[in-house]
Parts: sequence; structure tokens; C-alpha cells
Amino acid sequence: EVQLVESGGDLVQPGRSLRLSCTGSGLTFDDSYMTWVRQAPGKGLEWLGFIRSKTAGGTTAYAASVKGRFTISRDDSKNIAYLQMSSLKTEDTAVYFCSRWVPTIEKIDFWGQGTLVTVSS
Amino acid sequence: QSVLTQPPSVSAAPGQEVTISCSGSSSNIGNHYVSWYQQLPGTTPKLLIYENNKRPSGIPDRFSGSKSGTSATLGITGLQTGDEADYYCGTWDASLTAGVFGGGTKLTVL
Repeated sequence: EVQLVESGGDLVQPGRSLRLSCTGSGLTFDDSYMTWVRQAPGKGLEWLGFIRSKTAGGTTAYAASVKGRFTISRDDSKNIAYLQMSSLKTEDTAVYFCSRWVPTIEKIDFWGQGTLVTVSS
Repeated sequence: QSVLTQPPSVSAAPGQEVTISCSGSSSNIGNHYVSWYQQLPGTTPKLLIYENNKRPSGIPDRFSGSKSGTSATLGITGLQTGDEADYYCGTWDASLTAGVFGGGTKLTVL
């Protein structure tokens, strides 16, 4: 059974940084494109970015709304993907989901349960 | 404003059928596969349809997907109260070089 478990969500002040982690099991993690999606309270899904597998170059792609502030990385030895968020704003308050993107058919097939990030003074 | 356009809400009676549209452009739906996700209240999204019209294992054939040009449609037949959820379309956008979702459609089964 595939499991993606996010952690690191917290209450943080505007302007601060926070790092989220996503631990995967039951999947070939190092072959997977790991993606982050968020959902603000009462709002829809917003794709944030992904990191390609190492064999695909390990490069990243980001939504324009977070490019330059958010960084996705991975540690395949631990089956963990990270989302480093900096210069946080109140509008970054959301549930952050880790997921797996399948690039050949452009789908997200597995989702984590999400972790809540609240940005407030 | 979402790149993909969906109606905010749809409704129908139990047993009836409903369709949810998703409109995009040539940089996304027109040249890429469309997926649909179901998010039941208080839960995580779940893949419902992929590659425009394929269902993952375990998804009943009451759910179907289609694509024509720069638009896609999710169809649900034999509506059940348990189908009440938010539904999102998603795909890749080559111009944005990013994944994109529709704004979501809330399905109410009256």
C-alpha cells in the first residue's frame, strides 16, 4: 500500500520560513516525481511544484505564485521529499499535500493526508 | 482565477446523472491528458479519471470522462448521496510549465 505522510506543518509568523517533509512508502520513491499541492481554507487545489526523479535529472518546476520563495528537494536515501518555504505570507495559510505526479500521463495518482500551515502574527 | 474553468456547483437528484465541464486552452487541455479528482468533505483528493477517460482500479463505471478539443467533461450516472463532493479537473500547462487545476465544482445530490 502506498503511503505519503506529510509533517512539519505549524503556526508561523509572516516573513518566517518553514520546511515540510513528505515520507513515502510502498512506492518506488526514487523513480517518482514528487509534487506539492496546497488548499487554502474553503478554496480549491493549487499545484505548487514538483521535483523530477534523479534519473530524469532531479530538476524542479514551480507555479509562478511560489517561484523564488518555495524550494522542493528530495533525499531518496530516506524516501523523503521536502518543501522549503520562505518569506511566508498570510495567504500561504493552507493544507499542504504531498503527492506523486506521473509525467507520461500527467496525473497525480497518490496523495498524502496533508499538513496544515498557518501563517499569522 | 484558475487556468481551467469549471462551474462552481452542480446538483441533481439521486439516481439521475450529471456532467461537469472543464474548459482550458491549447496549452493545457488541448494537448495534454486530463485527470479528474474527487474530494469528499474533510478528506484528501482521490484520482477518479486519468488519461481523459480511464478509471483507476476500484472506481465504479458510473464515473466517466471525455475530452474534445480544449474542453473535458466528467460524467456521473446513478447519483448517490455519497457522491456529494468537490470535483477538480487537472492537467499540465506547457506555456506555464506547471500543473494546473480547475477551480473545483461542488456536487450536491438533492
